[in-house]
Amino acid sequence: DGGITQSPKYLFRKEGQNVTLSCEQNLNHDAMYWYRQDPGQGLRLIYYSQIVNDFQKGDIAEGYSVSREKKESFPLTVTSAQKNPTAFYLCASSIGTDLNYEQYFGPGTRLTVT
Amino acid sequence: GQQVMQIPQYQHVQEGEDFTTYCNSSTTLSNIQWYKQRPGGHPVFLIQLVKSGEVKKQKRLTFQFGEAKKNSSLHITATQTTDVGTYFCAGPMRGGSQGNLIFGKGTKLSVKP
Repeated sequence: DGGITQSPKYLFRKEGQNVTLSCEQNLNHDAMYWYRQDPGQGLRLIYYSQIVNDFQKGDIAEGYSVSREKKESFPLTVTSAQKNPTAFYLCASSIGTDLNYEQYFGPGTRLTVT
Repeated sequence: GQQVMQIPQYQHVQEGEDFTTYCNSSTTLSNIQWYKQRPGGHPVFLIQLVKSGEVKKQKRLTFQFGEAKKNSSLHITATQTTDVGTYFCAGPMRGGSQGNLIFGKGTKLSVKP
């Protein structure tokens, strides 16, 4: 059963701590994305990766870091430098980087930082 | 910068009423995609429109792409409680990397039984 998995579903952290969100896909997709969603807002792009060992900043990359060591995995680290980290984080993938490809989303991780 | 705007932000309807959400882009789009996000869930792809003036139907859902390829709409006929959720439109980012989408803020639909 192919898809995207994100873990954990809910995550609680103290302010000042770094936290890593997991994203795994078995769809054999080349491109992967991280979005942040805040209440009443659309999806804002944090980072994206078109190929293994390469990734690019999105619109709101400050305070976040990623890696793409394997095609299947694209973990996101929310660092202590991110001023407002509490949000719903969505990982997505697409077959490739052509403009016509739809994106498949994982179930998301709700991060709460207090 | 490039923007994709959606209206209305919220829509409350009685079950059986129709619903329409509108999407407007500040730039011409090569295509537009629509996604649905159920409460507590994640966005799920509904459809993609590519041609100017294109109209596509999925049962009670009708999607249109404007002639100038700068606007789009989603119309739901005779809403049902299963239609509840937030509907997003998304267009490709210009000048950026291929495959990146700009999402509208979405229209949140609630349906009263």
